[in-house]
Amino acid sequence: KQEVTQIPAALSVPEGENLVLNCSFTDSAIYNLQWFRQDPGKGLTSLLLIQSSQREQTSGRLNASLDKSSGRSTLYIAASQPGDSATYLCALDNTDKLIFGTGTRLQVFP
Amino acid sequence: EAGVVQSPRYKIIEKKQPVAFWCNPISGHNTLYWYLQNLGQGPELLIRYENEEAVDDSQLPKDRFSAERLKGVDSTLKIQPAELGDSAVYLCASSPGGQPDTQYFGPGTRLTVL
Repeated sequence: KQEVTQIPAALSVPEGENLVLNCSFTDSAIYNLQWFRQDPGKGLTSLLLIQSSQREQTSGRLNASLDKSSGRSTLYIAASQPGDSATYLCALDNTDKLIFGTGTRLQVFP
Repeated sequence: EAGVVQSPRYKIIEKKQPVAFWCNPISGHNTLYWYLQNLGQGPELLIRYENEEAVDDSQLPKDRFSAERLKGVDSTLKIQPAELGDSAVYLCASSPGGQPDTQYFGPGTRLTVL
């Protein structure tokens, strides 16, 4: 059974810092890995999707990497801003089912 | 383009009462998902539809939960009777299909069972 773990569970940083969120998984037989953002009281917004044949994806200040052999993915946020404050979830897609981690709650303070 | 619409946004009921949630997916999306999200946890899939057909309902507690997607568009998720442990956020998502297939989520319905 696929298990997805995210570390840290919560993170509070000052504005401008570069930060890394971690996601680890137990079964490397995946199609894709996605990173989502969830704001309080709202649904999830897809940030980046990495196909299993890819090693990384970039969008603006976000960069996500995937290492299937070690069962790890990282989400790198450059020059963090207060507007980045949210919960970040990674999700593995194998056989049309998304399996989510528990998330990292990020707070960026001015 | 409108996103995934869910209603109601919030619902408070007494235990043992029935409750229903409604979802309207993005136009043209054949795949629809219902997820359960407990506080501090990631969403967990309850059921997945391909058009009108429920293709994965293995995680749906069928003794009290039911779902339907008539005409392959809107969907309703029902709980009868509700229990205290059902308090959670119920998320609906839809996707257009193909690979890679990105899911688009609605805002969710926050259920509180007293």
